[in-house]
Amino acid sequence: KAGVTQTPRYLIKTRGQQVTLSCSPISGHRSVSWYQQTPGQGLQFLFEYFSETQRNKGNFPGRFSGRQFSNSRSEMNVSTLELGDSALYLCASSLAASGGLVYNEQFFGPGTRLTVL
Amino acid sequence: GNSVTQMEGPVTLSEEAFLTINCTYTATGYPSLFWYVQYPGEGLQLLLKATKADDKGSNKGFEATYRKETTSFHLEKGSVQVSDSAVYFCALSGGAGSYQLTFGKGTKLSVIP
Repeated sequence: KAGVTQTPRYLIKTRGQQVTLSCSPISGHRSVSWYQQTPGQGLQFLFEYFSETQRNKGNFPGRFSGRQFSNSRSEMNVSTLELGDSALYLCASSLAASGGLVYNEQFFGPGTRLTVL
Repeated sequence: GNSVTQMEGPVTLSEEAFLTINCTYTATGYPSLFWYVQYPGEGLQLLLKATKADDKGSNKGFEATYRKETTSFHLEKGSVQVSDSAVYFCALSGGAGSYQLTFGKGTKLSVIP
């Protein structure tokens, strides 16, 4: 089974621009989460989607948004980029539930490294 | 809120040495606990997990036991290899139906021949 894929792997943008990152979960996984990783703040939760609905959101400004499509693929968008948005953005997918059982382990993609100049 | 505290590195060990990375947590309810590993330039890989008290997760020679009484989930390996050099993250999710992971700061492990 193919793993979580993220595109693009690297991005360079300038302040004020906006960016869209894409994530394809493992086939059959319905939950997709996004995390930001920086040297200073570590790994921080951005949001989680399930069946096209945002179920949970971390403590990030409204410039960070996301969505999930009917095929479980997800995108996140960052508008009006700031220097501090430079980070590795990680997507993770989870089976969530099957046969009445909950599967909450998350499987991560390789990440998109965003550099804001 | 939930939080995870793990020993900060870097940790440098000789090959075949014993490894312990301490992890303690604060959470309400009954969280699931995880260890993830990140190799340079890559995303996170799930190393092992435990979903209830006294569960022991194990994989590739690594082990960790969910200790509710001490709110700990320490990672151990009896004999490390150079290929184990990576950053290790302890994490928790808030129980059934929760998919938000709270991570520790990570511990960088270097194993020298």
